[in-house]
Amino acid sequence: SQQGEEDPQALSIQEGENATMNCSYKTSINNLQWYRQNSGRGLVHLILIRSNEREKHSGRLRVTLDTSKKSSSLLITASRAADTASYFCATDTGRRALTFGSGTRLQVQP
Amino acid sequence: EAQVTQNPRYLITVTGKKLTVTCSQNMNHEYMSWYRQDPGLGLRQIYYSMNVEVTDKGDVPEGYKVSRKEKRNFPLILESPSPNQTSLYFCASSYTLAMAQETQYFGPGTRLLVL
Repeated sequence: SQQGEEDPQALSIQEGENATMNCSYKTSINNLQWYRQNSGRGLVHLILIRSNEREKHSGRLRVTLDTSKKSSSLLITASRAADTASYFCATDTGRRALTFGSGTRLQVQP
Repeated sequence: EAQVTQNPRYLITVTGKKLTVTCSQNMNHEYMSWYRQDPGLGLRQIYYSMNVEVTDKGDVPEGYKVSRKEKRNFPLILESPSPNQTSLYFCASSYTLAMAQETQYFGPGTRLLVL
């Protein structure tokens, strides 16, 4: 099973609305990252939050981390059509690899 | 421009016909990795390399080989492809293994169909 599981699997919103997607994981982590993937393209790193942090901001992105619940959320505020993409969480558990979830497909309707 | 390149981007082949997918980065990164992406399964790591001549298995190495003879190149070799290797493949790199735990730079992907 996946270390990181995103929820929902798909999300459709109107431009200007906020989009929230969640990630749950199973084992303890050193950090958690969010990546974005445009259709047919490679992943692009968005933001990293360390295990001792609870919240982090970057532009219109806000990430929270609750290590007691083993979960993270990514909030995109004032969404734009260009935010349409798949979003993945990835966890660093101290292994020599990141573990990626299966992603949330976000569709922002203009 | 700093980037990770992969070739080919699209490939259709038949069972058993050996193929190589190339990956090259121009950022002098020590760490390189191969992933496959399948619907509902996210990205799974196939192999990684921490430096020249140092490679190791990821989570799904069966049916794949890699080599790291030069720092910039990390080819993925399918000696005898099978239909279950039909997937979208990504190469990624980072400065070091430690940095790879914080951010990785991905290539554009190679879509492989094995008939």
